[in-house]
Amino acid sequence: QSALTQPASVSGSPGQSITISCTGTSSDVGGYNYVSWYQQSPGKAPKLIIYEVTNRPSGVSNRFSGSKSGNTASLTISGLQAEDEADYYCSSHTSRTTWVFGGGTKLTVL
Amino acid sequence: QVQVVESGGGVVQPGRSLRLSCAASGFTFSSHYMHWVRQAPGKGLEWVAIISFDGSYTLHADPVKGRFTISRDNSKNTLYLQMNSLRPEDTAVYYCVKDRSNAWSFDYWGQGTQVIVSS
Repeated sequence: QSALTQPASVSGSPGQSITISCTGTSSDVGGYNYVSWYQQSPGKAPKLIIYEVTNRPSGVSNRFSGSKSGNTASLTISGLQAEDEADYYCSSHTSRTTWVFGGGTKLTVL
Repeated sequence: QVQVVESGGGVVQPGRSLRLSCAASGFTFSSHYMHWVRQAPGKGLEWVAIISFDGSYTLHADPVKGRFTISRDNSKNTLYLQMNSLRPEDTAVYYCVKDRSNAWSFDYWGQGTQVIVSS
């Protein structure tokens, strides 16, 4: 199972919005609504921020939102804050009942 | 609060074995699927294995199939990963992760335990 495709890096200024894409196939992203997103700060464990494409766990800021169109899922962060600077990973359940991650996107807040 | 704490990592020679443990607390361990996910140095995340709430169902990723075995002891609230025939490419931080029920996502992560395979 190939990794999902994410941009290596994105950047934005405080207060702006950014979007990170996550492209897979009909066997993963396009075939299931089990796309999730994770935030990983340096030296820390990943944290779930979006599950089932659009849902936020309790306690996650509503500045984080998810969507999907076809084989591509997206994470949007609005009102960028310095604390959002981290690596972001998407993940999808697959037709082989396994899971695949994206390669990760480094977000820099300018 | 939910907590998962991994242990058992270390430096091991290629071809040797290692067993990781994960102590869970703050939730009904026996009601949840559990995963192992790993992260090689400077790399992204890689799913390793899943086990059902009662241990009757397991699935391992192709790179570790036949070498690694996930298991659990619900009486001890503990998850395990038995790693045999270790290879240098197995070097990674290994995370124990609680599955978010009915959502097939990775809910709570431990801090990870480092495994280094080197001669």
